[in-house]
Amino acid sequence: GENVEQHPSTLSVQEGDSAVIKCTYSDSASNYFPWYKQELGKRPQLIIDIRSNVGEKKDQRIAVTLNKTAKHFSLHITETQPEDSAVYFCAASPWGSARQLTFGSGTQLTVLP
Amino acid sequence: GAVVSQHPSRVICKSGTSVKIECRSLDFQATTMFWYRQFPKQSLMLMATSNEGSKATYEQGVEKDKFLINHASLTLSTLTVTSAHPEDSSFYICSARSSGDTGELFFGEGSRLTVL
Repeated sequence: GENVEQHPSTLSVQEGDSAVIKCTYSDSASNYFPWYKQELGKRPQLIIDIRSNVGEKKDQRIAVTLNKTAKHFSLHITETQPEDSAVYFCAASPWGSARQLTFGSGTQLTVLP
Repeated sequence: GAVVSQHPSRVICKSGTSVKIECRSLDFQATTMFWYRQFPKQSLMLMATSNEGSKATYEQGVEKDKFLINHASLTLSTLTVTSAHPEDSSFYICSARSSGDTGELFFGEGSRLTVL
């Protein structure tokens, strides 16, 4: 089955700096890669996703890049703000959608004011 | 976006009792719902896929007799933790996918179970 590895497990950045979280996946059939943000005690929420037919997708301060050859994808947050502090999970699925998602281990992002 | 509601948000029970958690899709029909378990500071681990009108599909290592899943309608799935023990204490989250091949996954609020 699919194995998704996520790094780093914790990340602290100064407000205004950029944050990068990286994930690798093992199943070459995976073609859908969402990122979720989970605040403490709350539900995960989709913040951005990418499908394997594109290499990069951007939504305001958030961007995701995908390298299919290397089987890795990354989340980039620019101009970080304290409210960006949360746990971020990457995930992968071979179904082109949110079916049978395999999640990464999560990254605790702390944005220091 | 679509709304998935989960109830109760917190439950404390004695060892040996059973606990039922409900997951409802409020404004869309979900033929498939997913149940996850999340330990503190860990990732979401898929427990089972709940299929409306049929048996749930359990992930390897998840005891189907321990974690009973019922998906009786297109908007409701329930997870019953039977004969709960302290090691079953965890955060349980359900999710449902909106319709269409590219449907987004929406999560419930989660249920924190504490077994004394």
